[in-house]
Amino acid sequence: AQKVTQAQTEISVVEKEDVTLDCVYETRDTTYYLFWYKQPPSGELVFLIRRNSFDEQNEISGRYSWNFQKSTSSFNFTITASQVVDSAVYFCALRVTFYNQGGKLIFGQGTELSVKP
Amino acid sequence: DGGITQSPKYLFRKEGQNVTLSCEQNLNHDAMYWYRQDPGQGLRLIYYSQIVNDFQKGDIAEGYSVSREKKESFPLTVTSAQKNPTAFYLCASAGGVTDTQYFGPGTRLTVL
Repeated sequence: AQKVTQAQTEISVVEKEDVTLDCVYETRDTTYYLFWYKQPPSGELVFLIRRNSFDEQNEISGRYSWNFQKSTSSFNFTITASQVVDSAVYFCALRVTFYNQGGKLIFGQGTELSVKP
Repeated sequence: DGGITQSPKYLFRKEGQNVTLSCEQNLNHDAMYWYRQDPGQGLRLIYYSQIVNDFQKGDIAEGYSVSREKKESFPLTVTSAQKNPTAFYLCASAGGVTDTQYFGPGTRLTVL
């Protein structure tokens, strides 16, 4: 079975704090892709990152960084020096690779991040 | 500007009525998707289309129908058979089934 778990439903931090959003996935596939999307109050999902199962290098993009560990089936997302504009719901997603699945994304429940000034 | 548009942004429906949600993309993407989001939950796949004139059911297709007559367009009809249609509907597209999906702004449907 394919599954994504985001155990943190809500997180509240004060501006400039660092915050880590957890994502744990389950799959029997050896080839898969993991994603993070941001959903601001407007509702549109904004793509942040895609990582394939063969690339365990951590990635940094500005204040954002991602830690992918296959040994623990985790793909955690850290925001350094958080800002009010980071307030949103963040989704982790897993894509199965079987062609007949059509590229379906399996989403976690989402983590609502609130950054207070 | 290249992107995905959805209309309307808000839609109100009376029970027993069918309604159609629009999704258009000018990214020249082959694959298009419809997801449903309920409060406090992740997205669930309703239908997807990998190519014009072809589409497949997702996990929660009952009570919904789609068409894909043009590459740019993938409208979703919420029929009266859908028992609980009030939700936020998101359309996405991708270059192919192995590519990243990009999402439109969504349509919030409320049944009165």
